[in-house]
Amino acid sequence: GAGVSQSPSNKVTEKGKDVELRCDPISGHTALYWYRQSLGQGLEFLIYFQGNSAPDKSGLPSDRFSAERTGGSVSTLTIQRTQQEDSAVYLCASSLGPSGGAYEQYFGPGTRLTVT
Amino acid sequence: AQTVTQSQPEMSVQEAETVTLSCTYDTSESDYYLFWYKQPPSRQMILVIRQEAYKQQNATENRFSVNFQKAAKSFSLKISDSQLGDAAMYFCAYRSAGGSARQLTFGSGTQLTVLP
Repeated sequence: GAGVSQSPSNKVTEKGKDVELRCDPISGHTALYWYRQSLGQGLEFLIYFQGNSAPDKSGLPSDRFSAERTGGSVSTLTIQRTQQEDSAVYLCASSLGPSGGAYEQYFGPGTRLTVT
Repeated sequence: AQTVTQSQPEMSVQEAETVTLSCTYDTSESDYYLFWYKQPPSRQMILVIRQEAYKQQNATENRFSVNFQKAAKSFSLKISDSQLGDAAMYFCAYRSAGGSARQLTFGSGTQLTVLP
């Protein structure tokens, strides 16, 4: 079946602009995660959605970052007033969630964000 | 908070030989999962192998096996009969089995080169 998809694959934006990154999880997966992969910080957790529960936003680095998940499926990560330190690869992953028997997270190919 | 340490930024192995990648972690939890993920240049994170902390038997997946030492908090990955396609960045990751935390905590990665 189809895996996790993300769009765009690459995004170049000017400092100060807002960007939206999209993630389509695997059908039937109730859990969705966003991670950021940067040279200086490695792989960092950003936010976690599980079903209709309130998201775990504990990894968001600042209030310029927000995410939503509509209808329990597609998720959008929004970065407002982008800064150069936001340049990174943003990875999305989905899993069956804690109620399922399998806990593996399946990752998308990521969006490479470059802020100039 | 849990931490994951990969002390080998780079490793190389001759094709058909065996290589072991190291990983240590720190946690106060007794129940958790450990994973090895592979990330080729395509950026797609691929699950290689996972280990449940409550299982004493080391996990194996074809040419990949782990040496899980719970008391020592060590989780190394052995790749046997290395192939050119094994060249990638390898990440060790930890996930809690209980509570609300479901995100992965990653190590800094080991870049594996396979020499023909």
